[in-house]
Amino acid sequence: QKEVEQNSGPLSVPEGAIASLNCTYSDRGSQSFFWYRQYSGKSPELIMFIYSNGDKEDGRFTAQLNKASQYVSLLIRDSQPSDSATYLCAVLSGTYKYIFGTGTRLKVLA
Amino acid sequence: NAGVTQTPKFQVLKTGQSMTLQCAQDMNHNSMYWYRQDPGMGLRLIYYSASEGTTDKGEVPNGYNVSRLNKREFSLRLESAAPSQTSVYFCASSEVWTSENTGELFFGEGSRLTVL
Repeated sequence: QKEVEQNSGPLSVPEGAIASLNCTYSDRGSQSFFWYRQYSGKSPELIMFIYSNGDKEDGRFTAQLNKASQYVSLLIRDSQPSDSATYLCAVLSGTYKYIFGTGTRLKVLA
Repeated sequence: NAGVTQTPKFQVLKTGQSMTLQCAQDMNHNSMYWYRQDPGMGLRLIYYSASEGTTDKGEVPNGYNVSRLNKREFSLRLESAAPSQTSVYFCASSEVWTSENTGELFFGEGSRLTVL
């Protein structure tokens, strides 16, 4: 079992719809959870982080964390074509060990 | 503000050649990291440096060496390049996660390496 798992996609949603991206992790001791967006040929950039159970909202983005189920999700409301990218889930396991999933490719169709 | 700067951005090597990837950050972060990214494999940690003077192996250290030259700089060396080391390499830095600090990784722009 991989330490951080994501569906590779592509996940296709129409413009204006809600995109739902999911991630599961294996280390119950993980402390902090991140969502990075990566455009093709570019470096990852942070869009959300969360460390407490529940929801965290920032603009069109909502991160959801359920530590009991070892599950992190990212919702993107009012999806735009510019949101088309690969979304990487990362888990901080220990002080320095950042573990990344393989990413989910999102396509927003105009 | 430069953030994390990597050089070179592109490099082509022949099998057996050596090279060093350079990384520098200007955010006064203690921790620095080298990752490689391959299609379908995600980001895999090669080495990291928790603080100046320390380095530790990550998930895929074989064939690589690192040097934490000072707080700002962390280099990655390939002593004898192999085609399996063809990849995109990312340097990153962070501060330690606390309740007041996200522990976010800040990435450089990446170095695309091809080994023939």
